[in-house]
Amino acid sequence: EDQVTQSPEALRLQEGESSSLNCSYTVSGLRGLFWYRQDPGKGPEFLFTLYSAGEEKEKERLKATLTKKESFLHITAPKPEDSATYLCAVQPNTGNQFYFGTGTSLTVIP
Amino acid sequence: DGGITQSPKYLFRKEGQNVTLSCEQNLNHDAMYWYRQDPGQGLRLIYYSQIVNDFQKGDIAEGYSVSREKKESFPLTVTSAQKNPTAFYLCASTTSSPGNTIYFGEGSWLTVV
Repeated sequence: EDQVTQSPEALRLQEGESSSLNCSYTVSGLRGLFWYRQDPGKGPEFLFTLYSAGEEKEKERLKATLTKKESFLHITAPKPEDSATYLCAVQPNTGNQFYFGTGTSLTVIP
Repeated sequence: DGGITQSPKYLFRKEGQNVTLSCEQNLNHDAMYWYRQDPGQGLRLIYYSQIVNDFQKGDIAEGYSVSREKKESFPLTVTSAQKNPTAFYLCASTTSSPGNTIYFGEGSWLTVV
């Protein structure tokens, strides 16, 4: 069964304290893995797409990496405005659906 | 600007009433999706459509209905048969190419009163 698990559920960081969010997945074959940022009461905002193990992508303080079983979203020197819920999704090789994790709620304290 | 527009942002439903959530996209995307988001749960798929005049049930389709008469539009009706409709509803779209990114609208809040 295709499945996505994100950890931790919640994370509190001091401003400037770097950390990583984890997204573990089980799919028959991976078409793509996607990271999103979601602010309260808003739709998810696209961050990154990763397609194959070893791939990395960066945007400002965020860096996403991918292995055959998991993806990490690394946050370097976070700022309070990085506070949000970060969602991970996968699209398996079979079918046209996307499977989402429950997200990691990140709070960055000034 | 290109994007996905959901309306209304907030909607209240009385018991026994059907309500319709609108979703319009101008991204020329073939596929459109409706998800429901509840606190502490991941996005759950209600319905999706790959082409005009065709759609498939997702994991929680009971009590919902959709139509896809135009490529740009994919409205969702929450019927009175949906017993627990209070939730945040998200519309999304993507191209038909495998692995392409799925993009989201800003969401609609539905509350039963």
